Amino acid sequence: NAGVTQTPKFQVLKTGQSMTLQCAQDMNHNSMYWYRQDPGMGLRLIYYSASEGTTDKGEVPNGYNVSRLNKREFSLRLESAAPSQTSVYFCASGRSGTQETQYFGPGTRLLVL
Amino acid sequence: GNSVTQMEGPVTLSEEAFLTINCTYTATGYPSLFWYVQYPGEGLQLLLKATKADDKGSNKGFEATYRKETTSFHLEKGSVQVSDSAVYFCALSKAAGNKLTFGGGTRVLVKP
Repeated sequence: NAGVTQTPKFQVLKTGQSMTLQCAQDMNHNSMYWYRQDPGMGLRLIYYSASEGTTDKGEVPNGYNVSRLNKREFSLRLESAAPSQTSVYFCASGRSGTQETQYFGPGTRLLVL
Repeated sequence: GNSVTQMEGPVTLSEEAFLTINCTYTATGYPSLFWYVQYPGEGLQLLLKATKADDKGSNKGFEATYRKETTSFHLEKGSVQVSDSAVYFCALSKAAGNKLTFGGGTRVLVKP
């Protein structure tokens, strides 16, 4: 099992450019999540998907869109990148329920110039 | 809303020293509590968890006890190794959808 995979690993964008971060999991999990990690702030939830076909906003959704393509894949799109979106992005998946562990991908480091 | 506060780092220790990382939370009711660890260049992985008051989570020599009366979930290890150098995150889950609320993370550096 590969677990949670993310592409790309690293990306540099210019302000105003768009890109899509890809995430896939092979653990048959219903729930998937996108977080961003900034120094001293821990991880903050951008969007999540409790099941295929549903998505909901997290704590910091502005400037992002998501697509739950199927049960395995959950993509994050930046339509017009801004320097404030420079961050490390993590995708995670897990079973439903507040006691359940989330499994994280290796992250995508994004630099917006 | 929910929040998690943990001690700021970095924490620098010598090998075999005792490690404590404090974590307190704010939430209504009974959240589930987690410690995740992030090794250099990697994503987060679960270290341990506790899902009800007075539960003790343990793994790899680390322990944490869910204290409802003090709203705390402090992480401890009796004898750290160089390989324990990492960033440790305390987190809680309560809302529908199992959304995690994280603390700011504590960087631990263990020197030989």
